[in-house]
Amino acid sequence: KQEVTQIPAALSVPEGENLVLNCSFTDSAIYNLQWFRQDPGKGLTSLLLIQSSQREQTSGRLNASLDKSSGRSTLYIAASQPGDSATYLCAVRAYAGNNRKLIWGLGTSLAVNP
Amino acid sequence: NAGVMQNPRHLVRRRGQEARLRCSPMKGHSHVYWYRQLPEEGLKFMVYLQKENIIDESGMPKERFSAEFPKEGPSILRIQQVVRGDSAAYFCASSYLDPSTDTQYFGPGTRLTVL
Repeated sequence: KQEVTQIPAALSVPEGENLVLNCSFTDSAIYNLQWFRQDPGKGLTSLLLIQSSQREQTSGRLNASLDKSSGRSTLYIAASQPGDSATYLCAVRAYAGNNRKLIWGLGTSLAVNP
Repeated sequence: NAGVMQNPRHLVRRRGQEARLRCSPMKGHSHVYWYRQLPEEGLKFMVYLQKENIIDESGMPKERFSAEFPKEGPSILRIQQVVRGDSAAYFCASSYLDPSTDTQYFGPGTRLTVL
């Protein structure tokens, strides 16, 4: 059974710091992995999607890496800003075909202080 | 292109009543997913639908919960005889079948409170 774990559960940093959020999964046979952002009282925004054949994806100040063999992904945020404050969720799609459900971690709650 | 729309945003029901949650996918998307986020817990998959078909309902409780995605109109998640434990945020997502990527786009959620 696939399980997704995110550490740390919460993180508070001063503005401008580079930071790393961690996601681990128990079954390395994944189809893809996504990082999302969730703002309080709002929906989820997809940040990056990494296919199982890829090692990393970049979007602006965000870089996500994937190491399937070790069951790990990291989300790197460069030069953090107060607007980055949110909960960051990692989700794994375990299977190809019609099994398209995402399996989620509990998230890392990030606070970037001005 | 409007994003995924969900309504109502907030819904209050008394125990035993019915709750109907609506989801309009992004234009051109024919795949809809429902997830539930219980207080202090992570998101859990409930059901995956394509137009007029339930593809995967492995996350749906066996009783009181049903979902549909008709040919015309929004997807509906229906909860009959609600109980306090149904209080949660219910998120809908949609996607376009693209072999190169299957990013799911999420709506703002419906927050259900059962009194």
